[in-house]
Amino acid sequence: NAGVMQNPRHLVRRRGQEARLRCSPMKGHSHVYWYRQLPEEGLKFMVYLQKENIIDESGMPKERFSAEFPKEGPSILRIQQVVRGDSAAYFCASSPAGGQPQHFGDGTRLSIL
Amino acid sequence: AQSVSQHNHHVILSEAASLELGCNYSYGGTVNLFWYVQYPGQHLQLLLKYFSGDPLVKGIKGFEAEFIKSKFSFNLRKPSVQWSDTAEYFCAVNALSNFGNEKLTFGTGTRLTIIP
Repeated sequence: NAGVMQNPRHLVRRRGQEARLRCSPMKGHSHVYWYRQLPEEGLKFMVYLQKENIIDESGMPKERFSAEFPKEGPSILRIQQVVRGDSAAYFCASSPAGGQPQHFGDGTRLSIL
Repeated sequence: AQSVSQHNHHVILSEAASLELGCNYSYGGTVNLFWYVQYPGQHLQLLLKYFSGDPLVKGIKGFEAEFIKSKFSFNLRKPSVQWSDTAEYFCAVNALSNFGNEKLTFGTGTRLTIIP
């Protein structure tokens, strides 16, 4: 029973490029959450999605960041025109329904040169 | 908005010592509470959770936590730690208010190092 799958595990981008992070939830899970972990800090909520809907994006930066969870395929966190400050570990979690424990993926470590 | 405080940033213990990691949250309403563990190089795993009922909850690997509502606390305990418990531990809260407010608010984590 595969857990939450994130890819890539490591992603290196130069300033100004785009970064795309993918997350496939656990089988049977329709709720997806993205969190960001900066060095020496805890995880910070970014966005909560259900299929084809953004439910809560209160943690997303206003510019350059977007997320989607299409009807088919993985959830995508997209960062345009990356800057050094975007370097972090990005974790995806999923749950079968609201209010249920969230299961986390291994994360994508994004490094900006 | 809710917040979570973990006062111990780094704890070092010898094997067989007892463990208690502090967690306090601030939120005036109903909450769900969680402890997650992150072993080196691995993803976060759920240790235990509190939704309702008995405030003393037992999790995996001999861990337990007690929810004390009056103190807004959810401390993690283990009577006798092992070297394999070396990891980072995160307390998290999910405030139950409006529909769709499913986000977890995490503490900054406590790094636990067990000395053989």
